[in-house]
Amino acid sequence: AQSVSQHNHHVILSEAASLELGCNYSYGGTVNLFWYVQYPGQHLQLLLKYFSGDPLVKGIKGFEAEFIKSKFSFNLRKPSVQWSDTAEYFCAVAAPGSARQLTFGSGTQLTVLP
Amino acid sequence: KAGVTQTPRYLIKTRGQQVTLSCSPISGHRSVSWYQQTPGQGLQFLFEYFSETQRNKGNFPGRFSGRQFSNSRSEMNVSTLELGDSALYLCASSLDPSNQPQHFGDGTRLSIL
Repeated sequence: AQSVSQHNHHVILSEAASLELGCNYSYGGTVNLFWYVQYPGQHLQLLLKYFSGDPLVKGIKGFEAEFIKSKFSFNLRKPSVQWSDTAEYFCAVAAPGSARQLTFGSGTQLTVLP
Repeated sequence: KAGVTQTPRYLIKTRGQQVTLSCSPISGHRSVSWYQQTPGQGLQFLFEYFSETQRNKGNFPGRFSGRQFSNSRSEMNVSTLELGDSALYLCASSLDPSNQPQHFGDGTRLSIL
């Protein structure tokens, strides 16, 4: 069975600091990987996805993620965070050929201080 | 265009009752999935429907069931409610069962007394 680990449960940063949120997955085959964000009071939104090709994927709002197959990792990065990035971030994995039946990590709450 | 619509937004039930939650996908989307979100277990996949057929099911007891109608709207039903069923139930829709990413609704908050 697939599983996803997000080791940082709560991250607090000041505005303009750089962000890296860790995500590791366990699955023996090819996977599709996602980062979703949930802003306060809003629904889950897709930040970015990786299916194949260039392991460095760019998403919305200046976020990017790097897929490192040898480390089973898909870490999320942003060079300079803003107060509006305060949200909960979820890493998720789906079986190949699928973007549904997602297995989610436990989430990382990011608080950005103005 | 309108997003995924879930009704009702909030629901309070007592143990032993049953409940039906509704989800209207984005217009044109034919695949609907349901997830349960709790503080302890996080986000867990319940089931997925496409063309009125259940395609996949997560590791939940048979008390959890669902269906999809010809207009792609979906309902999920939970019978014999337990305290542990208190959760936010999320519906997500996508164009079809492929690599199209899912779009989530705001959820239905179910509280069991």
